[in-house]
Amino acid sequence: GENVEQHPSTLSVQEGDSAVIKCTYSDSASNYFPWYKQELGKRPQLIIDIRSNVGEKKDQRIAVTLNKTAKHFSLHITETQPEDSAVYFCAASNAGGTSYGKLTFGQGTILTVHP
Amino acid sequence: SAVISQKPSRDICQRGTSLTIQCQVDSQVTMMFWYRQQPGQSLTLIATANQGSEATYESGFVIDKFPISRPNLTFSTLTVSNMSPEDSSIYLCSVAQGDEQFFGPGTRLTVL
Repeated sequence: GENVEQHPSTLSVQEGDSAVIKCTYSDSASNYFPWYKQELGKRPQLIIDIRSNVGEKKDQRIAVTLNKTAKHFSLHITETQPEDSAVYFCAASNAGGTSYGKLTFGQGTILTVHP
Repeated sequence: SAVISQKPSRDICQRGTSLTIQCQVDSQVTMMFWYRQQPGQSLTLIATANQGSEATYESGFVIDKFPISRPNLTFSTLTVSNMSPEDSSIYLCSVAQGDEQFFGPGTRLTVL
């Protein structure tokens, strides 16, 4: 089955700096890669996703890149703000395949943005 | 995105008992899932709740421990049976809309 590795486990930045979180996956059949933000005591919220036919996607201050050959994808947050502090999870799935909808999650990254 | 609710939001239970968690969606969805999030950990898929048929369980999870019902396209239940302290976790349902997946607010379970 799919295995997703996520690094780093913790990340501390100053407000205004950029933050990068990286994930690798094992199953070459995976074709959908969402990122979730989970604030303390709350549900995971989908913040951005990318599909395997795209190399990069941006949404305001966040962007995701995908390298299918190397089987890794990354989340980039620019101009970080204290409200970006949360746990971020990457995930992978084979959307449309026999494992349709089944997400395999990375271990999570605790991002702390210091004012 | 769909509005997803879960009941109860939290519970404290005694070992050996069972708890049934409900997940309600405000629109019909084909795919519903149940995840477990142990304290300070990531999310692990327990099973896919199939409407009108038996749930599909992931490795390490069995029907006797986590029976699931899916009577229609807007509702599912997960039962945690014969609980032990190791079952203390947050249990979340999710629904798929296209490729995107959205989570319920979770049920925080503590087993004493």
